[in-house]
Amino acid sequence: GAVVSQHPSWVICKSGTSVKIECRSLDFQATTMFWYRQFPKQSLMLMATSNEGSKATYEQGVEKDKFLINHASLTLSTLTVTSAHPEDSSFYICSARVGGKLFFGSGTQLSVL
Amino acid sequence: AQTVTQSQPEMSVQEAETVTLSCTYDTSENNYYLFWYKQPPSRQMILVIRQEAYKQQNATENRFSVNFQKAAKSFSLKISDSQLGDTAMYFCAFMNPYGGATNKLIFGTGTLLAVQP
Repeated sequence: GAVVSQHPSWVICKSGTSVKIECRSLDFQATTMFWYRQFPKQSLMLMATSNEGSKATYEQGVEKDKFLINHASLTLSTLTVTSAHPEDSSFYICSARVGGKLFFGSGTQLSVL
Repeated sequence: AQTVTQSQPEMSVQEAETVTLSCTYDTSENNYYLFWYKQPPSRQMILVIRQEAYKQQNATENRFSVNFQKAAKSFSLKISDSQLGDTAMYFCAFMNPYGGATNKLIFGTGTLLAVQP
């Protein structure tokens, strides 16, 4: 299957700082990537759809100014959590579509102190 | 709007036995994809199997097979000869691949499967 690389795997930051998470498609080009959030023992919640060269599409209830998404190339999408607070602590996962399948990165555990 | 329902929060099976995980969904679309993903303790999402709605034949991947009942909107996963490495959270998911920007994956709430030695 296609390989999606996500970094960092985990990050700890102080409240009020910003954190950037990268998602790369290693062996294919991805015009569309997806960002999910997952709380412990819960399902994945779609946050936004990242489109190469255009603005991201955010799901209802997701603050676009809090979660900045940039998809500047066909192999890289970034999610920046701005002015992070403890309630932003969560597991964030990106995915990219290849044909009719979605492949996922390994996820980023964000802990905001 | 599409919804995916998994009514079994947790299940347990003995090693080498067979287990079936249930999933139902709701959609007004006629063509779509259905998936089963597993998420082991590492939290890496792994694609287990995919079913295309226009295909009547049930998909099979080695020990994993599905029972796709389109009219009933049911999509169950059968794991044969269960192995300890099958222990994971299993998510059923729906995708409309023809909807452009709406081709997102909609997940069920998951079933935690424990394979007992």
